[in-house]
Amino acid sequence: DGGITQSPKYLFRKEGQNVTLSCEQNLNHDAMYWYRQDPGQGLRLIYYSQIVNDFQKGDIAEGYSVSREKKESFPLTVTSAQKNPTAFYLCASSARWGSYEQYFGPGTRLTVT
Amino acid sequence: AQKITQTQPGMFVQEKEAVTLDCTYDTSDPSYGLFWYKQPSSGEMIFLIYQGSYDQQNATEGRYSLNFQKARKSANLVISASQLGDSAMYFCAMRLTNFGNEKLTFGTGTRLTIIP
Repeated sequence: DGGITQSPKYLFRKEGQNVTLSCEQNLNHDAMYWYRQDPGQGLRLIYYSQIVNDFQKGDIAEGYSVSREKKESFPLTVTSAQKNPTAFYLCASSARWGSYEQYFGPGTRLTVT
Repeated sequence: AQKITQTQPGMFVQEKEAVTLDCTYDTSDPSYGLFWYKQPSSGEMIFLIYQGSYDQQNATEGRYSLNFQKARKSANLVISASQLGDSAMYFCAMRLTNFGNEKLTFGTGTRLTIIP
């Protein structure tokens, strides 16, 4: 089955630790995205990648980092510099940058205490 | 900057009735696309329907239709014959379609609950 996988579904970390969220897609899509969702709010764009070895900051990139070394993988690292890391994180992909339909993964709920 | 407004935090609808979820948007750019996504309690975002700003007709996808009123800058989602499985969060989103500005901007969502 083609799709996007994010693991784990739930992640718990202590404050001050970096944590990496995985996102893998087997749709052969060029573009990939990371969003953050907080209660009562819509999704906000953290980082996006139009193509392998390229990525750009979204609207709320501070405290996050990404890499895009392989077409199918776009991991997100939540660093200790992120002030409020507890949130629901969604990864998405689209055939190419500008394609109107984005496909989303199941999300990772990160709790930092 | 683009903005999406969804003024209904929650709605309760009887099963089999039609429901309209409101969405207004703000942009000065003439070229844009409007989207609706469904988010069940499991968390994934499911694409429902798309409307381009230059499309002459309202988009339809099965039980979903988008009531696009360009002059009013509204893009309401209509779900006909609602089902229990329609209970979820619904998000309206917009994207400019001129090159280099293709980021999606989301509204805050509406939680729809279908009552048996």
